[in-house]
Amino acid sequence: DAKTTQPPSMDCAEGRAANLPCNHSTISGNEYVYWYRQIHSQGPQYIIHGLKNNETNEMASLIITEDRKSSTLILPHATLRDTAVYYCIVRLLYSGNTPLVFGKGTRLSVIA
Amino acid sequence: GAGVSQSPSNKVTEKGKDVELRCDPISGHTALYWYRQRLGQGLEFLIYFQGNSAPDKSGLPSDRFSAERTGESVSTLTIQRTQQEDSAVYLCASSWGFGETYNEQFFGPGTRLTVL
Repeated sequence: DAKTTQPPSMDCAEGRAANLPCNHSTISGNEYVYWYRQIHSQGPQYIIHGLKNNETNEMASLIITEDRKSSTLILPHATLRDTAVYYCIVRLLYSGNTPLVFGKGTRLSVIA
Repeated sequence: GAGVSQSPSNKVTEKGKDVELRCDPISGHTALYWYRQRLGQGLEFLIYFQGNSAPDKSGLPSDRFSAERTGESVSTLTIQRTQQEDSAVYLCASSWGFGETYNEQFFGPGTRLTVL
């Protein structure tokens, strides 16, 4: 699986959009981008994933650049409960249910 | 419905003792994973069960670590002769195991192990 690079920490004001970047310059054509988050003292939680088109669900939006070498997870209206470590993971399309490979992620602090 | 549950939530043990950690996956999930998370670090994969296939043990750090799974239900992670470096949160996850595409992994709350 391709390696990802994320900033170690970010701050965001409550109610504002949180934009979390991820670089994956060695991504291959059959690898997806996944995002998970881990709130303090809890297990990781799936957020969203995508291949090359932008994706949106009830939790977040995922913007993937045209060359697919980077992506941004957007939380449109951050709340205090969004304070967590956010993990960007790149993974082969047909890796089935094999284990996830987590980096150190970005620690997002939402400030009132 | 019920999520992944783990027990105990906290375990304090003395160096050299054996410990058993339990995971109850979501009913019907055929894939089960164990991960370890040391303080301030990301998750490390330990072992993976998929249906009746032989488990993938490639992440186990030493032969003191072992895990079993009863059918497609409960799993137990055993650490023998615990060492202080085994102190961590041990996380279990489960997912649907069918098909080649990705199936979301649902994580339990973890067991915090402290070895004195």
